[in-house]
Amino acid sequence: DARVTQTPRHKVTEMGQEVTMRCQPILGHNTVFWYRQTMMQGLELLAYFRNRAPLDDSGMPKDRFSAEMPDATLATLKIQPSEPRDSAVYFCASAVGLGSVHYNEQFFGPGTRLTVL
Amino acid sequence: GQNIDQPTEMTATEGAIVQINCTYQTSGFNGLFWYQQHAGEAPTFLSYNVLDGLEEKGRFSSFLSRSKGYSYLLLKELQMKDSASYLCAVRDGNQGGKLIFGQGTELSVKP
Repeated sequence: DARVTQTPRHKVTEMGQEVTMRCQPILGHNTVFWYRQTMMQGLELLAYFRNRAPLDDSGMPKDRFSAEMPDATLATLKIQPSEPRDSAVYFCASAVGLGSVHYNEQFFGPGTRLTVL
Repeated sequence: GQNIDQPTEMTATEGAIVQINCTYQTSGFNGLFWYQQHAGEAPTFLSYNVLDGLEEKGRFSSFLSRSKGYSYLLLKELQMKDSASYLCAVRDGNQGGKLIFGQGTELSVKP
């Protein structure tokens, strides 16, 4: 049963600390997305990758957030330094990319619930 | 820019039919998706429309009118387990295929 996995599932940290979230996309999926979900803002796209190359990271605060794909089986989202306003659920999703903008359905991971005190 | 509107919440009765509407404005429409999200869980894919018309998939159907910037999700024979948030999302081809999500419609199914 292929699925997207994310670690950790829950993270509580103090303001100023570094947070790293990891995602393993479904094998064979070449497009990976990072989303953030809060009650106020809903689901927002932070960044996404096609074949490990970043296609769009305009939704990400550049001064503290960074996203990478060290290899095809791992995507990371890092926050340094973290702030209380970063508290949210962070979802990773993967899809099979077709051409430059097309992809089929996105499969979401279970999310990382981040609380920054 | 882009804008996606859907009702914040709806209530329906078990066994009934409910229609959740979504209107959108985007410069580079490249497909519309519906996702279901239960509380505390990840969104799961329900349907995809890129051409005008109705797509039917079991108890769920989705309709698209590109000229009107309008879609709806139709849920038939409602079950208690259909209580969830329903997210409308539009793919914008002018932004590299970015998927823009609406705020979601919280559906409560009552006995």
